[in-house]
Amino acid sequence: SAVISQKPSRDICQRGTSLTIQCQVDSQVTMMFWYRQQPGQSLTLIATANQGSEATYESGFVIDKFPISRPNLTFSTLTVSNMSPEDSSIYLCSVEWTSGRQTQYFGPGTRLLVL
Amino acid sequence: KQEVTQIPAALSVPEGENLVLNCSFTDSAIYNLQWFRQDPGKGLTSLLLIQSSQREQTSGRLNASLDKSSGRSTLYIAASQPGDSATYLCAVTLAGSNYKLTFGKGTLLTVNP
Repeated sequence: SAVISQKPSRDICQRGTSLTIQCQVDSQVTMMFWYRQQPGQSLTLIATANQGSEATYESGFVIDKFPISRPNLTFSTLTVSNMSPEDSSIYLCSVEWTSGRQTQYFGPGTRLLVL
Repeated sequence: KQEVTQIPAALSVPEGENLVLNCSFTDSAIYNLQWFRQDPGKGLTSLLLIQSSQREQTSGRLNASLDKSSGRSTLYIAASQPGDSATYLCAVTLAGSNYKLTFGKGTLLTVNP
């Protein structure tokens, strides 16, 4: 299995500012994913981040708003830029893992509140 | 576009009861279906994964079934315990979607001692 940590675990930010969320994995993985969970809503995939290539964004999400870095096989960052109260969500990273069966392991999440 | 619906949105039961959580999806062309458990501050934990060719999976007190043709899955929890209290999420992976998960909104389960 993979153990994933995220920093920060939570934050309160002012509108118009940016926050960078870090995701660290204890093993080398090819595929990492970033999800958003807005209050009362389902988890929604923001983008897929593979090391050595540009992140692939889902419909409704753009690089200018959610820039992603993937400098190596164990680390990724997601920045939430020019924040507004609508960005208040839980942000989770996950990794694809295949060991006997294919599944994804999730980090503990970053709870963001934008005032 | 794949949509995943979970019913009920919330459920409160006394300890020891058997219970069923429901999940439905609109596109039957799935690669697999997973049930996750979400605890506050602890992320998601995969409970059961059912491949599209399978009908059910069991782990301890948990049993998940899959009827791909009708777009339905159920998660059965036997002899519920207060430690089972959490949000349960159903997620499907569309065939050919490069492992992208589509989630339901979840069922918030409370097991009262």
